[in-house]
Amino acid sequence: GNSVTQMEGPVTLSEEAFLTINCTYTATGYPSLFWYVQYPGEGLQLLLKATKADDKGSNKGFEATYRKETTSFHLEKGSVQVSDSAVYFCALARGAAGNKLTFGGGTRVLVKP
Amino acid sequence: DTAVSQTPKYLVTQMGNDKSIKCEQNLGHDTMYWYKQDSKKFLKIMFSYNNKELIINETVPNRFSPKSPDKAHLNLHINSLELGDSAVYFCASSLPGGDGELFFGEGSRLTVL
Repeated sequence: GNSVTQMEGPVTLSEEAFLTINCTYTATGYPSLFWYVQYPGEGLQLLLKATKADDKGSNKGFEATYRKETTSFHLEKGSVQVSDSAVYFCALARGAAGNKLTFGGGTRVLVKP
Repeated sequence: DTAVSQTPKYLVTQMGNDKSIKCEQNLGHDTMYWYKQDSKKFLKIMFSYNNKELIINETVPNRFSPKSPDKAHLNLHINSLELGDSAVYFCASSLPGGDGELFFGEGSRLTVL
């Protein structure tokens, strides 16, 4: 079956530090890949996505590249802010059930001033 | 104007009780979902409806019964609540077609004592 594995948190950083959150997946065929973000007390919202190999998704300074050869979709941001403190979820969607997302376990990120 | 709204936001109840959580979306989407997020932030899909028709029903106890009176509403009724039902329940909606972008509500935190 489909699965998503992401690094466990919490990840604690200082402002302006570089952030990487690793995500790898297992799926048959060619899934679409997503990063969702959950700010404290809120629901999840889509951060970025990539639908085919070598695509790069980007938004709000975050980037992730769909790497089919390593089945990975690592999230990066060059300079984090306190407002980036949140839980980040990697997810995949596959095939006819394209909106049936399989989520990773989430990674909590805490950015300190 | 909230796109996906859930009520109540907080619900504290005793074991054995029956409770409902309501969800409404004003995005004009055809597809709605219920997800359960446990204390470790792990998210798992429970149900999905497309235009009032059940399309995804994961291995959820039959104490959980979704109801979709129209495509803008998807309610979740839970009978005979158990301690393990304590979680945050998220409603979400999306367009059909499988691009994987879900719009989440803010969640309903259920605590069973």
